[in-house]
Amino acid sequence: EEQLVESGGGLVQPGGSLRLSCVVSGLTVNSNYMTWVRQAPGKGLEWVSLISTDGKTFYADSVRGRFIISRDNSKNRLYLQMNSLRADDSAVYYCARLTIWGQGTLVAVSS
Amino acid sequence: DIVMTQTPYSLSVTPGQPASMSCKSSQSLLHTSGKTYLYWLLQKPGQSPQLLIYEASNRFSGVPERFSGSGSGTDFTLKISRVEAEDVGVYYCVHTIQFPWTFGQGTKVEIK
Repeated sequence: EEQLVESGGGLVQPGGSLRLSCVVSGLTVNSNYMTWVRQAPGKGLEWVSLISTDGKTFYADSVRGRFIISRDNSKNRLYLQMNSLRADDSAVYYCARLTIWGQGTLVAVSS
Repeated sequence: DIVMTQTPYSLSVTPGQPASMSCKSSQSLLHTSGKTYLYWLLQKPGQSPQLLIYEASNRFSGVPERFSGSGSGTDFTLKISRVEAEDVGVYYCVHTIQFPWTFGQGTKVEIK
């Protein structure tokens, strides 16, 4: 069974950093595109980043230069390194392919 | 960036009645491959999104037959033939034809 399980969220001060992890099971992380999508409280869905099968990375303008998507093929995990965090980065972050979504991990940026 | 516009903002539907919602994109989602990169997702209350329709008109595995997607180019429709109580939530369209992927703002479906 395919499953995505995120972790690493929490409360962080503006300007701080967090690294989100996604444990991938039932599919191989380097054989599939993988994305991060976020949802601010009470708001809609926003695509954040994608890593392709050949390792190319793509970012939303709002996070480019601050966030880094990566994967560990040996651990079958996906990551999102988030730096220079701002209040408007506060959201539930989903590890996802369109066909399968994790349960999300909450990131709150506040002083 | 491609702008995705969903209408209506919300729908209140009597169980057993049909429902329809629209998604319009600011650019064509028809790829040179012949595929149309438009997807429909449902986010039920308190849950993660789930895929309903891929490539505009293909029902994803396990999705009930009462859900159907249609459209081409820039105009797309999701129809529910007979709404059931479990269909409540917010329906999103999203394109994947280019980066950044963008979502519509969602259509909220409630039961009367």
